[in-house]
Amino acid sequence: DTAVSQTPKYLVTQMGNDKSIKCEQNLGHDTMYWYKQDSKKFLKIMFSYNNKELIINETVPNRFSPKSPDKAHLNLHINSLELGDSAVYFCASSHQGYLNTEAFFGQGTRLTVV
Amino acid sequence: DAKTTQPPSMDCAEGRAANLPCNHSTISGNEYVYWYRQIHSQGPQYIIHGLKNNETNEMASLIITEDRKSSTLILPHATLRDTAVYYCIVRDQGAQKLVFGQGTRLTINP
Repeated sequence: DTAVSQTPKYLVTQMGNDKSIKCEQNLGHDTMYWYKQDSKKFLKIMFSYNNKELIINETVPNRFSPKSPDKAHLNLHINSLELGDSAVYFCASSHQGYLNTEAFFGQGTRLTVV
Repeated sequence: DAKTTQPPSMDCAEGRAANLPCNHSTISGNEYVYWYRQIHSQGPQYIIHGLKNNETNEMASLIITEDRKSSTLILPHATLRDTAVYYCIVRDQGAQKLVFGQGTRLTINP
């Protein structure tokens, strides 16, 4: 069973469209994240949710809106897509507030805006 | 910003030990050293972490210097599948995120 799963794996869309990426984890973790990896391969955190509450928003444009319907899901909705949004987006999860925690990452969603 | 410095790339022969260094001279007493790796086109994968003692698991060993200002990740018998970018991360146990630097691109050669 996949611990952290994202859908879709690939997404090609035109500028100006709105799209969503879904993420689910079956590890019982209480914290989920979205990371963005750009063409230069830098991995940067975008958002973090703990028990469905937003705890990190790293100055991401308002066009990006995460939604956490429950602890096991953290979806990412992107409005008015721009060329610069092209990247690989990774979802992750972990326990927070525990010693010795590790994060588990999904396989990524490669978004291409044309 | 990442609090670690790593060489951008390294090579190692298959079957030999791969030793990946990391400098974290500004580490504070409650910060752990974590190692992750990212194999091409996949999500980052946790390898190992430690506070001040050396650690070993089925994947690797982590050697942390006594002053904790640097560490070395050791892959004892590297295989071609260990080719990846390896990230050394310093993280407070209460921190809500992992901050990735540029990592070391390790290439295992046959």
